[in-house]
Amino acid sequence: EPEVTQTPSHQVTQMGQEVILRCVPISNHLYFYWYRQILGQKVEFLVSFYNNEISEKSEIFDDQFSVERPDGSNFTLKIRSTKLEDSAMYFCASSHITGSQYFGPGTRLLVL
Amino acid sequence: DQQVKQNSPSLSVQEGRISILNCDYTNSMFDYFLWYKKYPAEGPTFLISISSIKDKNEDGRFTVFLNKSAKHLSLHIVPSQPGDSAVYFCAASSNYGGATNKLIFGTGTLLAVQP
Repeated sequence: EPEVTQTPSHQVTQMGQEVILRCVPISNHLYFYWYRQILGQKVEFLVSFYNNEISEKSEIFDDQFSVERPDGSNFTLKIRSTKLEDSAMYFCASSHITGSQYFGPGTRLLVL
Repeated sequence: DQQVKQNSPSLSVQEGRISILNCDYTNSMFDYFLWYKKYPAEGPTFLISISSIKDKNEDGRFTVFLNKSAKHLSLHIVPSQPGDSAVYFCAASSNYGGATNKLIFGTGTLLAVQP
């Protein structure tokens, strides 16, 4: 069964450093998303991406964040200058034209 | 912003019995609802969904009921199995079929199925 994959599974970084989280969505999906879950809190929407551009972004997704689909398979989330409060599980998801979103296993980001 | 609420943080059920997980929402624009199951340190796993034009959707042991007038949905699992023990999230979206489809999640309910 096709699945969304994410790398790395864990990332530890120093405050102020740049991180890139990688995702390979399900191959025939057209919509891509990033969500995050801070420990003990809800899963929160960050950004959606369709047709090579951002469809919608939340207020969390400020200028420090960017997304890119550099080739036909990868979908990346970049945080330019990490802050302590960026520590969270980051989930990538994808969906077909309409319907349910399928999530990857997540990347646990720890900012020290 | 509590647009999607799961008021029971936990639920304990005996194996073989029915598990009923509840979810309430406040935004009338939501037209698509989903249930996800999540194990620790894993991503949410899609279980079942329902659009606002229906009031029931069934898939094996899982049934989701939608009461639009009450802005309430529930997930029934029958019979419950120990492997069902996990956190269950309710999620909702609006503009079904649109390019956005962002999901708004509830806080989750931890289901424990006792053997």
